[in-house]
Amino acid sequence: DAGITQSPRHKVTETGTPVTLRCHQTENHRYMYWYRQDPGHGLRLIHYSYGVKDTDKGEVSDGYSVSRSKTEDFLLTLESATSSQTSVYFCAITDRLNTGELFFGEGSRLTVL
Amino acid sequence: DQQVKQNSPSLSVQEGRISILNCDYTNSMFDYFLWYKKYPAEGPTFLISISSIKDKNEDGRFTVFLNKSAKHLSLHIVPSQPGDSAVYFCAALQNTGNQFYFGTGTSLTVIP
Repeated sequence: DAGITQSPRHKVTETGTPVTLRCHQTENHRYMYWYRQDPGHGLRLIHYSYGVKDTDKGEVSDGYSVSRSKTEDFLLTLESATSSQTSVYFCAITDRLNTGELFFGEGSRLTVL
Repeated sequence: DQQVKQNSPSLSVQEGRISILNCDYTNSMFDYFLWYKKYPAEGPTFLISISSIKDKNEDGRFTVFLNKSAKHLSLHIVPSQPGDSAVYFCAALQNTGNQFYFGTGTSLTVIP
């Protein structure tokens, strides 16, 4: 199994509060991704990183920011959480694109009340 | 705009029979395709992939078929087993991009 851990695994918070989810890898993979999974929508890309301090937006980036100050950590921040951001968040990593595969973390379940 | 689509939210098959999961895509620039399997409360796990230079890839009970002209791929599971019951996602990667696009998933139930 790829060395990828997400924290926290579960979090309940209130609308308007900031939330940070952490993805930590021990594989030294270049690419890191944050997805959210919602019923009827599958997995949707929020942000991704292609190197330290190199990030880009995905298809559902509004309301989210990311940072990657070192290879092993990719942080997802909700500056002011809303109920629509209640979801399960998955981090994924890979070191190769066209011949590689994504390795996923176990997910972080976030509930915004 | 969903670039990768799985039009069947759910599928039920009898144990021992074939399961066929379908996936359609709209972006002709996609050139690498993957299937993932997901159990409840776990992260998705890689199952099988195919490059656009091939039309078939097989790995044990799992075979993926790619029809580029129809922009369609399918995953065949033969024979289906109860442990195959899970949500299956197809994904696609553009040849010049870094983003993996996922479908909405198909929930497969294999009935013993």
